[in-house]
Amino acid sequence: QKEVEQDPGPLSVPEGAIVSLNCTYSNSAFQYFMWYRQYSRKGPELLMYTYSSGNKEDGRFTAQVDKSSKYISLFIRDSQPSDSATYLCAIPTNTGFQKLVFGTGTRLLVSP
Amino acid sequence: KAGVTQTPRYLIKTRGQQVTLSCSPISGHRSVSWYQQTPGQGLQFLFEYFSETQRNKGNFPGRFSGRQFSNSRSEMNVSTLELGDSALYLCASSWTGGAGDTEAFFGQGTRLTVV
Repeated sequence: QKEVEQDPGPLSVPEGAIVSLNCTYSNSAFQYFMWYRQYSRKGPELLMYTYSSGNKEDGRFTAQVDKSSKYISLFIRDSQPSDSATYLCAIPTNTGFQKLVFGTGTRLLVSP
Repeated sequence: KAGVTQTPRYLIKTRGQQVTLSCSPISGHRSVSWYQQTPGQGLQFLFEYFSETQRNKGNFPGRFSGRQFSNSRSEMNVSTLELGDSALYLCASSWTGGAGDTEAFFGQGTRLTVV
């Protein structure tokens, strides 16, 4: 079983839709949960991260963690064509955040 | 502020050859991590260097190696290339590598094709 599982998509939505991206993980000891965005031919960039359970909001983006079910989500409100990218969940497996375990990524396409 | 620079951007090599990839971290960053990204396996951690020492290691064979120089620049080497080594190789740098650092800044990667 992979440590982090993510539906690869692609996920196609119209502009303005609410997008839900999800990952599951296997190790209940994980404490930090991160979301990266990767545009084509670019390296991943950190969108946001959360610690333990709960929600964190940043503009149109909300990250949610449910540790009881080992489920993490990223919601995008009012999606824009510029949000079209691959979204990767990532979990640091060391205290320094340098050793990340990634989901395979979900490709999101937002059409105008 | 310059970002993480990886060179070269593209490489084509033949099976059995070896290859060296380079990563220049953001100025002042001391930790450099390397990842392999493939369509099937996604992003997988190779190793991390901090202050010229390998501090963390992933589950890759010994053909994959790396090093870090005193200016924090890092290289990774793959010997005896196999077709399955074709991938995007990404490096990421961070400030001190300590528990307070949550963001790793990624370069654009080196696309390696083995034929």
